[in-house]
Amino acid sequence: ETGVTQSPTHLIKTRGQQVTLRCSSQSGHNTVSWYQQALGQGPQFIFQYYREEENGRGNFPPRFSGLQFPNYSSELNVNALELDDSALYLCASSPDSGTPGPQYFGPGTRLLVL
Amino acid sequence: SQKIEQNSEALNIQEGKTATLTCNYTNYSPAYLQWYRQDPGRGPVFLLLIRENEKEKRKERLKVTFDTTLKQSLFHITASQPADSATYLCALHRNKIIFGSGTRLSIRP
Repeated sequence: ETGVTQSPTHLIKTRGQQVTLRCSSQSGHNTVSWYQQALGQGPQFIFQYYREEENGRGNFPPRFSGLQFPNYSSELNVNALELDDSALYLCASSPDSGTPGPQYFGPGTRLLVL
Repeated sequence: SQKIEQNSEALNIQEGKTATLTCNYTNYSPAYLQWYRQDPGRGPVFLLLIRENEKEKRKERLKVTFDTTLKQSLFHITASQPADSATYLCALHRNKIIFGSGTRLSIRP
């Protein structure tokens, strides 16, 4: 069983650009969540996808969007990047959306916006 | 608004002692509370989950308590080892999941 993987590991963008981050969940995990973690802070929930549908969203603007695919992969897209978007972006998968349980995190993508 | 506070940004403990981390919350009624460990540059790793109707949960050297009246969870690591040094995050979950900012634990030999 492979763990959760994310790509790329690091990324540098300039303000106003768009970025796509990718995640591959553990096989059999139908739920994927994305988080933003600023330095010295805990992860902040962006949104969750269950069976390719958005299933919950945190306090993030619409320029943060996502997709989940049938092959357990997913994407986080951020448009019109701002300096404050610089952070570690984590995805986490879990087997079922119904009952809260352990989430299995990837290593993250560190995004720097200049 | 919902708020989670984890005790002091950093905790230094001598090897062999018990480390106790606290997680206090306000304006929230979690159904579940989870603890994660995060090492520098890596994603969080799940440790323990406790439900609102449970008082205590144990796993090897780890113990979690959950007091919904005090709105507090305590996380204990007994017989601490330098390898336990990491940041520990608590996370509350009902309709959504909220993470605390973490406590950085250092175990000195």
